[in-house]
Amino acid sequence: EVQLVESGGDLIKPGGSLRLSCAASGFSFSEAWMSWVRQAPGKGLEWVGRIKSIADGGTTDYAAAVKGRFSISRDDSENRLYLHMNSLKTEDTAVYYCSGHSRFWSLGYWGQGGLVTVSS
Amino acid sequence: QAVVTQEPSLTVSPGGTVTLTCGSSTGAVTSGHYPYWFQQRPGQAPRTLIYGTNNRHSWTPARFSGSLLGDKAALTLSGAQPEDEAEYFCLISYDNVYFVFGGGTKLTVL
Repeated sequence: EVQLVESGGDLIKPGGSLRLSCAASGFSFSEAWMSWVRQAPGKGLEWVGRIKSIADGGTTDYAAAVKGRFSISRDDSENRLYLHMNSLKTEDTAVYYCSGHSRFWSLGYWGQGGLVTVSS
Repeated sequence: QAVVTQEPSLTVSPGGTVTLTCGSSTGAVTSGHYPYWFQQRPGQAPRTLIYGTNNRHSWTPARFSGSLLGDKAALTLSGAQPEDEAEYFCLISYDNVYFVFGGGTKLTVL
């Protein structure tokens, strides 16, 4: 059974930092390109960023809204995906989902989401 | 940044057929934009229905199909069921470097 489980969501003050983790199982994580997607309360989906497999260079791409503040990394030995968030703003408040599937297709399986609230 | 547009809301009768569309402010949507379609029910995580224009996942009901229709990507639901009432989002890939979601279509089965 495929599982993606996010953790690390929290209430954080503006300007703070937070790391989200996503534990993957049930599929070939090391080959999969993985993405983070967020959803602000009552709003639509917003793509955050993507990381390719290490075999494909492990390169990352980001949405303009988070570029320079957020970074994505992966630990294939632990089957874990990370989202490192710095200089957090109130508008970063959202449920953050990790997603992945296979090489090239980085949006297939989804986690249940982790809530990040940025507020003073 | 590109803007991706969807119908805000649509209604379909049970057993009926409906087509949702997804357009791009940059011009025609092509297979090179690798369009995706997602379903999201209230309080749940999204679920990927279609990837790469017209590819279903193993969990995607056969009544959902993806295509290109004119200059847009399209999701057609044939034989709507009550459980298909949900919000549907499309996603367009630009140069396989950044991705933009549409605003979503709220589909009512009534």
